[in-house]
Amino acid sequence: NAGVTQTPKFRVLKTGQSMTLLCAQDMNHEYMYWYRQDPGMGLRLIHYSVGEGTTAKGEVPDGYNVSRLKKQNFLLGLESAAPSQTSVYFCASSDGWTGADGYTFGSGTRLTVV
Amino acid sequence: SQQGEEDPQALSIQEGENATMNCSYKTSINNLQWYRQNSGRGLVHLILIRSNEREKHSGRLRVTLDTSKKSSSLLITASRAADTASYFCATLSGGSNYKLTFGKGTLLTVNP
Repeated sequence: NAGVTQTPKFRVLKTGQSMTLLCAQDMNHEYMYWYRQDPGMGLRLIHYSVGEGTTAKGEVPDGYNVSRLKKQNFLLGLESAAPSQTSVYFCASSDGWTGADGYTFGSGTRLTVV
Repeated sequence: SQQGEEDPQALSIQEGENATMNCSYKTSINNLQWYRQNSGRGLVHLILIRSNEREKHSGRLRVTLDTSKKSSSLLITASRAADTASYFCATLSGGSNYKLTFGKGTLLTVNP
């Protein structure tokens, strides 16, 4: 019972490089989310998806793109990394829009952009 | 923008004592949730309270919600060292808003 799995767990990028963060869930959840967590800022929503093939912008979407080609996977892309994107990234999923059973979070990806 | 704001930002207590954390929010909500985050780990869902509920219990956790004051509190009774973590409130608004908005968290330290 893996829940939400994020890969990689750690990554160091040089400014201008690109990368993709992968989130996979095995709970058949419809809704998936990408958050970033910065010291003193709490969690801020980057992008989210309410179903396969759909995505929407969250609070801080600039510099990121996402795709949800398969229900179980939600990919977060950085096309040209910037030092301001140094953060811990969390993926989450839920079974409905009310989040009645709460969101299930992955263990995070710590990204450093130098 | 942040919807929930936790208070205090940090709390240090002795094992066996009760810990109370507060959360204030700005707009009407569908439900309010509390999460725990251990250092370096992901968030774990603790408890959810709906807008038409005033109090909810789960084990050593007690959550209250006052929609007239737009505030909630989380009480952890008989705290243990293992309760040391950051605690976040998160609100989910009604309508087409499908997403949780998190506060900045309260760091709870329980000293043995």
